[in-house]
Amino acid sequence: DAKTTQPPSMDCAEGRAANLPCNHSTISGNEYVYWYRQIHSQGPQYIIHGLKNNETNEMASLIITEDRKSSTLILPHATLRDTAVYYCIVRGDSGGGADGLTFGKGTHLIIQP
Amino acid sequence: DAMVIQNPRYQVTQFGKPVTLSCSQTLNHNVMYWYQQKSSQAPKLLFHYYDKDFNNEADTPDNFQSRRPNTSFCFLDIRSPGLGDAAMYLCATSRVRAGEEYFGPGTRLTVL
Repeated sequence: DAKTTQPPSMDCAEGRAANLPCNHSTISGNEYVYWYRQIHSQGPQYIIHGLKNNETNEMASLIITEDRKSSTLILPHATLRDTAVYYCIVRGDSGGGADGLTFGKGTHLIIQP
Repeated sequence: DAMVIQNPRYQVTQFGKPVTLSCSQTLNHNVMYWYQQKSSQAPKLLFHYYDKDFNNEADTPDNFQSRRPNTSFCFLDIRSPGLGDAAMYLCATSRVRAGEEYFGPGTRLTVL
């Protein structure tokens, strides 16, 4: 699975959109971009994933660049409960992806009141 | 609600004394995983089961074993815990291979 690069930490004001970048320049054609987050002392939580097209669900939006070498996770209206470590993970699908997740260091997002 | 349950949430053991951590799921997922997360580090995959097929990560120490007696339950056995095994142990499940994973709350293991 391709490697990812994320900033170690970011701040965002409560109520504003939080935009978390991820670089994955070695991503291959059948690899998906996944985002998980881990709130302090809890297990990681799945947020969203995508292949090429932008995706949106009730938690967040995922914007993937046309060349697929980078992506941005957007939390549209951040709240204090969104303070967490956010992990961007690239992996193949069930036809060829590795089982289990390889976590990088992630981005520690701190929402400021 | 369907979920992944880990018991106990906190476990204290003595150096060298075997310990078992348990995980159960009501999601009826085929795949179950165990991760180790040491302080200030990211989770690291130890092994997983796809149905009854056991898959060990290459660098998982022999001291760590796992059992999956049925679809719902999976156990992590640490045969002779060392001080370096103190960590949060996370269980996760997914419906299919390389699918979205659902994590339990973790068991924090302390080794005295």
